[in-house]
Amino acid sequence: EIVLTQSPATLSLSPGERATLSCRASQRISSYLAWYQQKPGQAPRLLIYDASNRATGIPARFSGSGSGTDFTLTISSLEPEDFAVYYCQHRNSWPLTFGGGTKVEIK
Amino acid sequence: EVQLVESGGNLIQPGGSLRLSCAASGFSVSNNYMSWVRQAPGRGLEWVSIIYTDDGRYYADSVKGRFTISRDNSRNTVYLQMNSLRAEDTAVYYCARSYCKSNIYYNAFDMWGQGTMVTVSS
Repeated sequence: EIVLTQSPATLSLSPGERATLSCRASQRISSYLAWYQQKPGQAPRLLIYDASNRATGIPARFSGSGSGTDFTLTISSLEPEDFAVYYCQHRNSWPLTFGGGTKVEIK
Repeated sequence: EVQLVESGGNLIQPGGSLRLSCAASGFSVSNNYMSWVRQAPGRGLEWVSIIYTDDGRYYADSVKGRFTISRDNSRNTVYLQMNSLRAEDTAVYYCARSYCKSNIYYNAFDMWGQGTMVTVSS
């Protein structure tokens, strides 16, 4: 099973600041990584698939990069609605797994 | 409207069985890869199972042999039959669709239901 480790666990930032979230895989997964945003009481929302492709309707301030074992989700300038928990997920092999999440909170 | 609606969650005793349903509208489950993903209270996401368009199925090790995913194309509904339930199966269960573009399935989930709560407790 591929383990995805997200860091930091919590990121305290102010609106307008840049957020950089990390996801590290326990083995190489090519570019087969997705990112999700989840707000309290809501289902997750797909942001990025295959490391760097924005999903339909996702604002351009969200970008993804990386390949192999190290991946990054960047939010260029935080909007108030971006404060949430973010998860990464791989599709390289079975079972599919998610990272433990990074909470982006208001500083 | 394109949506997924889960139902069937309940309070169930350890060792019991439960069947969850996921009704789709606006698209056909037969033409899509469909998964169940769960989230224990206050915890992260855990993929549970997937059913492919050719009826291929995969499961997380934690549920293999106890859970079964299936599909009824006439009802446009996906099911999760859960047997031998344990306390650690307590979670919100989401139904999710894999993103598909140009007939390529990415197993990244672009549509989710609102979830249904399963509580396993005596």
